[in-house]
Order: sequence, then C-alpha cells, then structure tokens
Amino acid sequence: EVQLQESGPGLVKPSQSLSLTCSVTGYSITSNYWGWIRKFPGNKMEWMGYISYSGSTSYNPSLKSRISITRDTSKNQFFLQLNSVTTEDTATYYCARCSYGSYDWFAYWGQGTLVTVSS
Amino acid sequence: DIVLTQSPATLSVTPGESVSLSCRASQGISTSIHWYQQKSNESPRLLIKYASQSISGIPSRFSGSGSGTDFTLSINRVESEDFSVYYCQQSYSLPLTFGSGTKLEIK
Repeated sequence: EVQLQESGPGLVKPSQSLSLTCSVTGYSITSNYWGWIRKFPGNKMEWMGYISYSGSTSYNPSLKSRISITRDTSKNQFFLQLNSVTTEDTATYYCARCSYGSYDWFAYWGQGTLVTVSS
Repeated sequence: DIVLTQSPATLSVTPGESVSLSCRASQGISTSIHWYQQKSNESPRLLIKYASQSISGIPSRFSGSGSGTDFTLSINRVESEDFSVYYCQQSYSLPLTFGSGTKLEIK
C-alpha cells in the first residue's frame, strides 16, 4: 500500500525558506507523478506543483520563482522548498501521489503538516 | 487559471436525505473534474474521477455527473459519516485548481 508522510519544521520565520520532505513507502517515486498541495486557513486549496517519474517539474505560476520541488530516489523521498515566505504561506501542506500515468488527480495523500509563518 | 465555483458553501441536511453539490467551471473543461471528501483532521479522499467515474472502495451512494462547465456530486441517502467538506478539482489545464468547497452539515 502506498503511504506518504510529510515532515519538516512547523514554524518558519517570515522571509526565510520553508523546507518539507515527503517520504514514500510502498511505491517508487520513479513511477508516476508526485505533487504538493496546500490548504489555507478557511479551506482554500492550492496546487503548488509536481515532480514526475523522470524528475521533470511543473509549478503553479502563482508561486513564481519561489518554489522548487526535488527528489532523492535512493531514499524514495521528494522535497518542497518555498523561499521568501510570508504569513500568507501559513497552511497545511500535503504531498500526494497523482493518478496513473498523469497528474490529473490525486490518488494518495499524506496526513498533512501544518506550517505556520510567524516571527 | 480556471476558476471553480462550488455551491452552496454550506448544506444542512438530515441523515437519509439525498443531496446534490454543484461545481461550475469558468470555461468548458470537458469531463476533467474530480471530487474529494475531506473529513475534519484527515487528508482528502478521492471520490469520483473524470466527472462520473467511480473509485474502488467508495460507497455506491456517491455519484458524479456533468460535462463542459456544470458538474454535480450526488449523495444518495446521506449517512452520518458523510458530513464533511467536499471539493472539486479540475485537470483540464495547468495550474490544477480546486473549488472552495461545500460543507455538508447535520441539520
């Protein structure tokens, strides 16, 4: 069974970088697409981006040049880095495995990790 | 970006009632819509893919319909475990976008 687990700091200061790890078991990240999604206070959901089985990436233009998604295939992990955070980046961050062969929908989700941006 | 508008924002129903939740896209998206359920303090769960395709393990009381700009998630005879928030999500074009959600609550 595919399982995903997010980890990382729960508190980040404004202007610093947010870094999260998604550890995957039961499935290789060299197959399929893998994404990051966040949910803001008030329930708004935002797709942040994905990394593919080949390592290619696609990002939400709203995040401009602040975002980077990378991976370590030897550890079966992928990572999110979001630079120059503000209080508006406070959210619950989820990693997810996308649908078979595409990034259309999200089949498996991690439990989510709350990241608060505050000084 | 494609905007998805869900209505109503909150729906109050009695267990046993049947309900329909709406999701409207800002432009035609064929059947590239997917529905999720999110219970409090849990991760979202996929209910329906491509507007009407069922997902293994999801109760048959959940069904989806629609194409183009108007989509509906139907729940036949709501059960107590169904009270949660429901989201639609489009995959017609990047960036992927979500609706703002419909909260299904007990009347």
